[in-house]
Amino acid sequence: DAKTTQPPSMDCAEGRAANLPCNHSTISGNEYVYWYRQIHSQGPQYIIHGLKNNETNEMASLIITEDRKSSTLILPHATLRDTAVYYCIVRFWEYGNKLVFGAGTILRVKS
Amino acid sequence: DTEVTQTPKHLVMGMTNKKSLKCEQHMGHRAMYWYKQKAKKPPELMFVYSYEKLSINESVPSRFSPECPNSSLLNLHLHALQPEDSALYLCASSQVGQGSGYTFGSGTRLTVV
Repeated sequence: DAKTTQPPSMDCAEGRAANLPCNHSTISGNEYVYWYRQIHSQGPQYIIHGLKNNETNEMASLIITEDRKSSTLILPHATLRDTAVYYCIVRFWEYGNKLVFGAGTILRVKS
Repeated sequence: DTEVTQTPKHLVMGMTNKKSLKCEQHMGHRAMYWYKQKAKKPPELMFVYSYEKLSINESVPSRFSPECPNSSLLNLHLHALQPEDSALYLCASSQVGQGSGYTFGSGTRLTVV
């Protein structure tokens, strides 16, 4: 699976959009981009995933650049409860159902 | 039911004890996983089961023994653990194949004394 690079930490004001970047310059054509988050002392929570097109669900939006070498997770109106570690993961399922976590980004939402 | 249930939530065991962690899901997922997470580190994959068969073992020491008795249950048997094995043990499940998100349980906080 391709490696990902994320900033170690970010701050965001409550009510503003949180934009979390992820670089995956070695991504191959059949690898998906997944985002998970982990709130302190809980299990990771699936947020969203995509292949080429931008995706949106009730939690977030995922913007993937045209060359697929980077992506951005957008939380449109961050709340204090969105404070968590956010993981960007790239994987191709035929390597085996195998989700490997990198270091992630600590997002702190502040009032 | 959209949850993965892990029991117990907390476990303290001695280095000579034998204990088991249990994980259960009723979402019809046919892939199940064990992860280990140390403080301030990301989760590390230990084992993957697909269709109740062990498909991935990430070179985990034999003192950890997984078992998948049916499609809804996953156990992790523990024997002769070391203090450095103290961690949060997470179970997850998913559909087999691309495009499916994993559902994680809340974990078992294990302390080896």
